[in-house]
Amino acid sequence: QTVVTQEPSFSVSPGGTVTLTCGLTSGSVSTSHNPSWYQQAPGQPPQTLIYSTNTRSSGVPDRFSGAILGNKAALTITGAQADDEADYYCVLHVGGGVWVFGGGTKLTVL
Amino acid sequence: QVQLVESGGGVVQPGGSLRLSCAVSGFTLNTHGIFWIRQAPGRGLEWVALIQHDGDEYYADSVRGRFTVSRDTSKNTVFLQMHSLRVDDTAVYYCAKDSTWAFHCWGQGTLVTVSS
Repeated sequence: QTVVTQEPSFSVSPGGTVTLTCGLTSGSVSTSHNPSWYQQAPGQPPQTLIYSTNTRSSGVPDRFSGAILGNKAALTITGAQADDEADYYCVLHVGGGVWVFGGGTKLTVL
Repeated sequence: QVQLVESGGGVVQPGGSLRLSCAVSGFTLNTHGIFWIRQAPGRGLEWVALIQHDGDEYYADSVRGRFTVSRDTSKNTVFLQMHSLRVDDTAVYYCAKDSTWAFHCWGQGTLVTVSS
């Protein structure tokens, strides 16, 4: 069974930079997993931030960026703002039409 | 513009069945697939199923054999038929557009509660 890992929580100061990661318990994440990232505010559906590893979805500010760092996918927020406080989820295509979400990272901006 | 609207949620007893709908507009089901994703109360997102633009279907292990995804292209609607429902199927169920190997344009979700 494929398990996708994310930090359960992270904290960043306003204006600061934070990198959230998305890994696999066995193996490395690569572009072939088509990592994508989603932001979910309380009580709201998720919003697409990044797809195909590093492509920003329409309307997403350029302070959000995606990459592969080492053996994980990564989401970096540069110049964090108060309204970036939310849950962040990554998802990977693990093959055969099957997708697996990470457990999510709760980001606090304080 | 692109819009996805889920409906059909409700309260059902364990072992029961329910059919969810995802009505789409702004694109056609012949060119894009539809994902179903769920979120149990206070929990993270879980991918449930995918019906691709060519009609191929894929399921998470947790629902395979109990849930079936289908579509009516003439009505621009995708369905998730759920049988043998369990308490741990309780969740908000979202549909999202499959495009560029990612989940786009999420609907607002519909709540399914499995309880006796």
